[in-house]
Amino acid sequence: DQQVKQNSPSLSVQEGRISILNCDYTNSMFDYFLWYKKYPAEGPTFLISISSIKDKNEDGRFTVFLNKSAKHLSLHIVPSQPGDSAVYFCAASRGGSQGNLIFGKGTKLSVKP
Amino acid sequence: GAGVSQTPSNKVTEKGKYVELRCDPISGHTALYWYRQSLGQGPEFLIYFQGTGAADDSGLPNDRFFAVRPEGSVSTLKIQRTERGDSAVYLCASSLNGDTEAFFGQGTRLTVV
Repeated sequence: DQQVKQNSPSLSVQEGRISILNCDYTNSMFDYFLWYKKYPAEGPTFLISISSIKDKNEDGRFTVFLNKSAKHLSLHIVPSQPGDSAVYFCAASRGGSQGNLIFGKGTKLSVKP
Repeated sequence: GAGVSQTPSNKVTEKGKYVELRCDPISGHTALYWYRQSLGQGPEFLIYFQGTGAADDSGLPNDRFFAVRPEGSVSTLKIQRTERGDSAVYLCASSLNGDTEAFFGQGTRLTVV
């Protein structure tokens, strides 16, 4: 049973436009959420995180929104760049820990020039 | 080294054989994690070390899997009597103290034939 779901396996966006990647979770005990980016043949790279006490966290072109009542979070990338093309994983944990993360299956983002 | 290093990068073994996968974390990082990523899936948590001890081994799938970190630095993931279903990319990550960003290695691709 998937506790973290990324229902879109892929997303294609034009360069300069906004990319919105979505993630849903089922476990209400999760209190810390992270997004990782992964290029082929490399390990995942931490992108941005949000604690459940917040509903928004912004870092440059990347913003994560958290809707606890809907158990939904999203990652917004604006403006999208071709170098953003990668697989994006949503992850969640309990107790604010970076260990024992529960990952979604990932969304492959393609940003076209 | 500058990042988390995993060796070997690729390993092909015959069903029933024993394998060891090595992880060199970032120097000074006390927390170390092992994950497994099967094709089309997100990383799946296996075990978390804080120093030399396993703080959480709830993700190890069965007793064929074992991991050690005897000196609180390098870790070895050991798999006995390998099965074809063990084929996956095994990822290692480390963080300064378990509450900060985790950095992943590039992974070891294990293929059991």
